[in-house]
Amino acid sequence: DTAVSQTPKYLVTQMGNDKSIKCEQNLGHDTMYWYKQDSKKFLKIMFSYNNKELIINETVPNRFSPKSPDKAHLNLHINSLELGDSAVYFCASSQDLGVAGGEQYFGPGTRLTVT
Amino acid sequence: AQSVTQLDSQVPVFEEAPVELRCNYSSSVSVYLFWYVQYPNQGLQLLLKYLSGSTLVKGINGFEAEFNKSQTSFHLRKPSVHISDTAEYFCAAERAAGNKLTFGGGTRVLVKP
Repeated sequence: DTAVSQTPKYLVTQMGNDKSIKCEQNLGHDTMYWYKQDSKKFLKIMFSYNNKELIINETVPNRFSPKSPDKAHLNLHINSLELGDSAVYFCASSQDLGVAGGEQYFGPGTRLTVT
Repeated sequence: AQSVTQLDSQVPVFEEAPVELRCNYSSSVSVYLFWYVQYPNQGLQLLLKYLSGSTLVKGINGFEAEFNKSQTSFHLRKPSVHISDTAEYFCAAERAAGNKLTFGGGTRVLVKP
């Protein structure tokens, strides 16, 4: 069973389009995250949610809107896509926001290419 | 604010040779430290973590890391690498509870036969 899954795995789209990436975890975790990994492999957190509530929003443009319908899902919707949005987006989850040093479990990533 | 610096962007190494990946962090408060590995076209997987206690931490796949508070370092080592260790390795730090990981820039390990 896949612990953290993302769909789609690859996404190629044109500038100006709106797209969504879905994430699901079957680990029973309370906290979920979105990370962006750029072409130089630099990895940076974008958002985190705990029990469907937004906890971290790292100065991401408001074209990016996370949505958590329940604590097992955290989707990422991106409006008006730009070339600079091309990256690999990783979803992750962890047991509990308050647990020190908790391991984060990562999904396989979604490679977004904006042309 | 905290930052994590991985001093080597790429480390080529021959199979069965030892490898050390360097990581330094800066933080005015106590941090928890992690090493993650990313195999080609995959997500990140935890290798090991330091929370407290013994400064030598052992992880999966024969990796270990040593926390050095005075040098603010958390270097990762493996005494004998395999071809399958070819991957990107990320050092990360977390301030107290809050689960916000700050990652270093990554070190690509290329194991040659």
